[in-house]
Amino acid sequence: DGGITQSPKYLFRKEGQNVTLSCEQNLNHDAMYWYRQDPGQGLRLIYYSQIVNDFQKGDIAEGYSVSREKKESFPLTVTSAQKNPTAFYLCASGTSGTPYEQYFGPGTRLTVT
Amino acid sequence: GQSLEQPSEVTAVEGAIVQINCTYQTSGFYGLSWYQQHDGGAPTFLSYNALDGLEETGRFSSFLSRSDSYGYLLLQELQMKDSASYFCASLNDYKLSFGAGTTVTVRA
Repeated sequence: DGGITQSPKYLFRKEGQNVTLSCEQNLNHDAMYWYRQDPGQGLRLIYYSQIVNDFQKGDIAEGYSVSREKKESFPLTVTSAQKNPTAFYLCASGTSGTPYEQYFGPGTRLTVT
Repeated sequence: GQSLEQPSEVTAVEGAIVQINCTYQTSGFYGLSWYQQHDGGAPTFLSYNALDGLEETGRFSSFLSRSDSYGYLLLQELQMKDSASYFCASLNDYKLSFGAGTTVTVRA
């Protein structure tokens, strides 16, 4: 089955620790995205990548880092520099020809205390 | 920056019609997408309008007026399973910018 997976579903960390969220897709999509969603709010773009070994900052990149070494994988690291890391993190992928239609993973709910 | 406005909540009964409006102020606008998200779940793509006019996909239709910077999603023959949050998202420079979402509650 083709799809996009994120793990883990729930993640708990102590303040001051870096944490890496996994995102994998087997849809052969060129583009991948990371969003953050806070309660009652829309999705905000953190980073995106349109091709392997290249990525761009989104609207709220501060305190986050990414890599795109493989087409299938786009991990997100939430660093200790992120002031309010507790949130629901969603990864998405899509084709470069239809950026308006993105396929989302099930999300990772990160809680930092 | 990009700004999209949509109502925060709408409640309707089964079988009714609901219209969710979205106004946007963006630069480099290409088109307007709509997504559905059930509580705690992943957003799923519903529709996209690049040109003015109405796009119909089953019970859901979406409309765009570029001159008015306005669009809407029309949900017809509402069913209980349509209870969810609906987001409009503008496509700008190959990136999506999302509104805050409209929570639709369908009552029996």
